[in-house]
Amino acid sequence: GAVVSQHPSWVICKSGTSVKIECRSLDFQATTMFWYRQFPKQSLMLMATSNEGSKATYEQGVEKDKFLINHASLTLSTLTVTSAHPEDSSFYICSARPTVGANQPQHFGDGTRLSIL
Amino acid sequence: QKEVEQDPGPLSVPEGAIVSLNCTYSNSAFQYFMWYRQYSRKGPELLMYTYSSGNKEDGRFTAQVDKSSKYISLFIRDSQPSDSATYLCAMSARGSQGNLIFGKGTKLSVKP
Repeated sequence: GAVVSQHPSWVICKSGTSVKIECRSLDFQATTMFWYRQFPKQSLMLMATSNEGSKATYEQGVEKDKFLINHASLTLSTLTVTSAHPEDSSFYICSARPTVGANQPQHFGDGTRLSIL
Repeated sequence: QKEVEQDPGPLSVPEGAIVSLNCTYSNSAFQYFMWYRQYSRKGPELLMYTYSSGNKEDGRFTAQVDKSSKYISLFIRDSQPSDSATYLCAMSARGSQGNLIFGKGTKLSVKP
């Protein structure tokens, strides 16, 4: 149980393109989902917390107009990297926390490797 | 001092060895402690989840939390080459709405 699907797994695109990444909880509902960024040999850095039906909460230093988050249902959150540039190239990972049950842990997707040329 | 400290390794052991992975932390508000396993180019996979102090066992894995020392451990018995991965500790405070603070991860290699 507790499967999180992330799509696409790998994207290569030109500078200036906008890229949308989807995060789905397949067998549970998730009021809250999280978006992380991971650089090579580094740990995960939280970018934003996505809440179903409300605006996302962004961590300090993360541009909300650059990284658009939509959490329109209890099983789907999307991250759109707008006008992507080479410095946005990274490994983006989402996670979801089950709504049912107190103090549930986060379950992670398999990540999206984004390469901007 | 960082909130969570974890030796990045790499740690190399022979197959069948007992592996000990550790993290220390400075924030006494942390109540929930997790260990994740991350294979290369994959997302983290939850291995163990514990609340407050104590031990938890699941198959070959044992997680220990010592809140008085602000120290957590993950033990892997009878290690296998398939255990080769990066192990991340993570923790959160009560009522933090799930915000996790991660260690840097320890890269483990189990040699056949």
